[in-house]
Amino acid sequence: AQSVTQLDSQVPVFEEAPVELRCNYSSSVSVYLFWYVQYPNQGLQLLLKYLSGSTLVKGINGFEAEFNKSQTSFHLRKPSVHISDTAEYFCAVSGTGRRALTFGSGTRLQVQP
Amino acid sequence: KAGVTQTPRYLIKTRGQQVTLSCSPISGHRSVSWYQQTPGQGLQFLFEYFSETQRNKGNFPGRFSGRQFSNSRSEMNVSTLELGDSALYLCASSEGRDQPQHFGDGTRLSIL
Repeated sequence: AQSVTQLDSQVPVFEEAPVELRCNYSSSVSVYLFWYVQYPNQGLQLLLKYLSGSTLVKGINGFEAEFNKSQTSFHLRKPSVHISDTAEYFCAVSGTGRRALTFGSGTRLQVQP
Repeated sequence: KAGVTQTPRYLIKTRGQQVTLSCSPISGHRSVSWYQQTPGQGLQFLFEYFSETQRNKGNFPGRFSGRQFSNSRSEMNVSTLELGDSALYLCASSEGRDQPQHFGDGTRLSIL
């Protein structure tokens, strides 16, 4: 079984500032890791994924994340945020070879002008 | 390619009724998974279908069921609706076991 902890429920940040959204996971098996974004009244959009290989993963909209196996973390970062990045962000994990995703509770990113 | 399509977008039902939600996956995707999203419990996995067979099931009562057709389209059914079933139901499809899931915009179910 897996679990995901997103340490911050809300992160306020000013436009053009950098941001980091934290995600820690727990699993007894090897995992795949994902970040999804959800805008109001929409489904989830895949930002980036870690399946294997390089631990630094680049995604869409300028986001990146780093897989740290020893710290069981997969933090999401963006060097300069825009108003349009305001949304809820979900970290998710699945066991390798399985499709069922376990999600964190989400982090609401609020970008202020 | 068209994305994952869920119908209807909104549904209002009363307690005790049953409901069927539909999901059309991305063309070529054979795996379909369903999730429930509520403010209290967050996003929870319901079940996954691949090649018309249920491959995995989450921790939900038997009132929640699903099926997948030969064209990979999927339906989920909830019987004897309860107030707590009010939620956004999300469908996701993927190409294969090691590929990410792509989500539809969901069906928002409200129980009165």
